[in-house]
Amino acid sequence: DVKVTQSSRYLVKRTGEKVFLECVQDMDHENMFWYRQDPGLGLRLIYFSYDVKMKEKGDIPEGYSVSREKKERFSLILESASTNQTSMYLCASSHGPTKAFFGQGTRLTVV
Amino acid sequence: AQSVAQPEDQVNVAEGNPLTVKCTYSVSGNPYLFWYVQYPNRGLQFLLKYITGDNLVKGSYGFEAEFNKSQTSFHLKKPSALVSDSALYFCAVRDGSSASKIIFGSGTRLSIRP
Repeated sequence: DVKVTQSSRYLVKRTGEKVFLECVQDMDHENMFWYRQDPGLGLRLIYFSYDVKMKEKGDIPEGYSVSREKKERFSLILESASTNQTSMYLCASSHGPTKAFFGQGTRLTVV
Repeated sequence: AQSVAQPEDQVNVAEGNPLTVKCTYSVSGNPYLFWYVQYPNRGLQFLLKYITGDNLVKGSYGFEAEFNKSQTSFHLKKPSALVSDSALYFCAVRDGSSASKIIFGSGTRLSIRP
């Protein structure tokens, strides 16, 4: 089975900190995604990568950046964390247009 | 642009009754459609997909979904609900290109009462 691993289940950071969320997949998928999940809003796409060093903005990229230096790893960066970025963050990967596999999520709290 | 609408925030069904969770979509070209389920404190699990072929697709845990091109809908169904089906359900769409975004709906909370 495909495994998508997010580095932390829970994180607490201070306002203004630079935050790194890491995601690793083990199935050589070319597509990787970062979403945030908030009650009543579903999953909103932050960034999407379709190859190493290639990225596209999703629906809510403001305040975030990403890095994909290796195929298996996709990092989400909060340049200066703010309280409105408190959320559940989900990483996913897929091969082509097929189903995506999700990590367990990182619950980030910014205080 | 792609979009997904799940018009019901919550669906309540008695155990043993049939259930339907609604989804409509918008996408350029042929749609690739998916349903995922999320149990408390768990990640998203894939339930079923439609890519091509028969409009009625079957998935995990006895769920099925019906693709209707004219109504741009992909409703999730189950003939007989179980209490254990209670969870958060998400519909998703992508186009058929190899490098396509996956867009999710806002989710529907399914509650099955004994």
